[in-house]
Amino acid sequence: GAVVSQHPSRVICKSGTSVKIECRSLDFQATTMFWYRQFPKQSLMLMATSNEGSKATYEQGVEKDKFLINHASLTLSTLTVTSAHPEDSSFYICSARVSGGETQYFGPGTRLLVL
Amino acid sequence: EDQVTQSPEALRLQEGESSSLNCSYTVSGLRGLFWYRQDPGKGPEFLFTLYSAGEEKEKERLKATLTKKESFLHITAPKPEDSATYLCAVPINAGNMLTFGGGTRLMVKP
Repeated sequence: GAVVSQHPSRVICKSGTSVKIECRSLDFQATTMFWYRQFPKQSLMLMATSNEGSKATYEQGVEKDKFLINHASLTLSTLTVTSAHPEDSSFYICSARVSGGETQYFGPGTRLLVL
Repeated sequence: EDQVTQSPEALRLQEGESSSLNCSYTVSGLRGLFWYRQDPGKGPEFLFTLYSAGEEKEKERLKATLTKKESFLHITAPKPEDSATYLCAVPINAGNMLTFGGGTRLMVKP
């Protein structure tokens, strides 16, 4: 149980385009989902906390207009990287917290490469 | 300030050589400590949650323990497939935002 999926697993796009990444909790409901970014050989950096039906909470230094987050249902959150640039290239990972629980379960990650 | 520190940063073991990874934390009102395993290019895989000092949990060759200041991940007779980065994390606010340690990169040689 507690499986989280992400789609796509990797994406290559041109500079200036927008990319949408989906995060789904497959076998549980998640009122809260989290989006992280990870650079090579570094630990995860929280970007934002996404609560179902409300606006996401962004961490300091993360541009909310660039990284649009939508948590439309208890099993789906999306991250849209708008007008992507090469410096946005990274590994993006989502996690979902079981409603009423403490543990976060992570998705497999999405590798974004902006050319 | 809430902080999580892992040591060592990297650990090389021979197959069968048991060892321990450390996670030290300073958090007011601990609401759980989590251990994850992360393989290159993949998301973290959940291993254990510990809630109170003295608690222990086991899974195959791994055993996690918790005190009031730190947690240990003991690896008994490791195999090459145990090679990965091991992360510990604690929730630090009402929203359960996780603060991660820097991770320990474990390499087990046959």
